[in-house]
Amino acid sequence: EIVLTQSPGTLSLSPGERATLSCRASQSVSSSYLAWYQQKPGQAPRLLIYGASSRATGIPDKFSGSGSGTDFTLTISRLEPEDSAVYHCQHSDTFGQGTKLEIK
Amino acid sequence: EVQLMKSGGGFVQPGGSLRLSCAASGFTFSTYAMSWVRQAPGKGLEWVSAISNSGSLTYYADSVKGRFTISRDNSENTLSLQLNSLRAEDTAVYYCARRRDGQWLDHWGQGTLVTVSS
Repeated sequence: EIVLTQSPGTLSLSPGERATLSCRASQSVSSSYLAWYQQKPGQAPRLLIYGASSRATGIPDKFSGSGSGTDFTLTISRLEPEDSAVYHCQHSDTFGQGTKLEIK
Repeated sequence: EVQLMKSGGGFVQPGGSLRLSCAASGFTFSTYAMSWVRQAPGKGLEWVSAISNSGSLTYYADSVKGRFTISRDNSENTLSLQLNSLRAEDTAVYYCARRRDGQWLDHWGQGTLVTVSS
């Protein structure tokens, strides 16, 4: 069973900065099945990235994904207050525990 | 516009049953696999179940296997999840979602809360 570990648990940054979120798999996985979601309080998750690096429809280019094997990264540039959310990675039917991003 | 409208959910005692439904619109429902994902209060996402576009293939997390049943009615564009033998640890918001070939979920419903408590 694959386990996805996200780090850090919480990330606090300022507007305009860049966020780097990590998702590490317990064994090598296919990039084709790696996705990232954004979830704001009281809302359903929203697909940001699929196939490790492809942006979903309507997602601005400030969101980018990269990685392969066991290490994957979601990068969010030019942070804005509305980027405050929990970010989840997913491979197949496994989710990471989430990273909470706070923009102060 | 893709829409997934939930119904069902609510409060139930341990051992009880509930049925969740998700009405799909804005896309050709019969050509997409679908999934259920849940989120316990204050916790992360947990995949629960999936069903192929035709309904012939179903998949379950070990935590719900034998207790939950996923189904779909392509003539009514509806996805369902029958929850039986409910436990306190099944308390969560349940989301239906459209599943793509890479198993990512590109559209999600708003979620419905299931509370299991005595």
